Amino acid sequence: GENVEQHPSTLSVQEGDSAVIKCTYSDSASNYFPWYKQELGKGPQLIIDIRSNVGEKKDQRIAVTLNKTAKHFSLHITETQPEDSAVYFCAASKGIGGGADGLTFGKGTHLIIQP
Amino acid sequence: DGGITQSPKYLFRKEGQNVTLSCEQNLNHDAMYWYRQDPGQGLRLIYYSQIVNDFQKGDIAEGYSVSREKKESFPLTVTSAQKNPTAFYLCASSIFGQGDQPQHFGDGTRLSIL
Repeated sequence: GENVEQHPSTLSVQEGDSAVIKCTYSDSASNYFPWYKQELGKGPQLIIDIRSNVGEKKDQRIAVTLNKTAKHFSLHITETQPEDSAVYFCAASKGIGGGADGLTFGKGTHLIIQP
Repeated sequence: DGGITQSPKYLFRKEGQNVTLSCEQNLNHDAMYWYRQDPGQGLRLIYYSQIVNDFQKGDIAEGYSVSREKKESFPLTVTSAQKNPTAFYLCASSIFGQGDQPQHFGDGTRLSIL
């Protein structure tokens, strides 16, 4: 089955700096890669996703890049703000043709924004 | 507002007892999912359902059961056979039962053992 590795487990950055979280996946058939933000005591919230026919996607201060050859994808947050502090999860799925067997998640990155 | 409602927020189970976690969605989504989250871990899939009256086991289905009698409801029962049930349980839904559709999550139920 699919295996998703996520690094780092904890990331501390100064407010205003950029943060980068990286994930690798094992199944070359995976073609959908969402990122979730989870605040304490809440469910994960989808913040951005990318499909395998696209190499990069951007939404304001958040961007995701995908390298299918190397089987890795990354989340980039620029101009970080205190409200960006949370746990971030990457995930992978095969999509159409691969069956609706849910998402395979990384173990999460605790992002801490230092004032 | 459309969304996913999980209840209760906190639940306690006694030894040998079955407990049922509720998940309701008003998004008109076909597919629904149950995940388990342990401290410092990602989410692991317990069960999923692509359509009413149909559901499939995920990676860690042992000790759990589900039903899908209505499109908007997907309750999860944690049975006494689940020896380590303490965890945060998350329900999600997506428009279709295809892996490349965004999944939307509820705010979870935290289950503890008395």
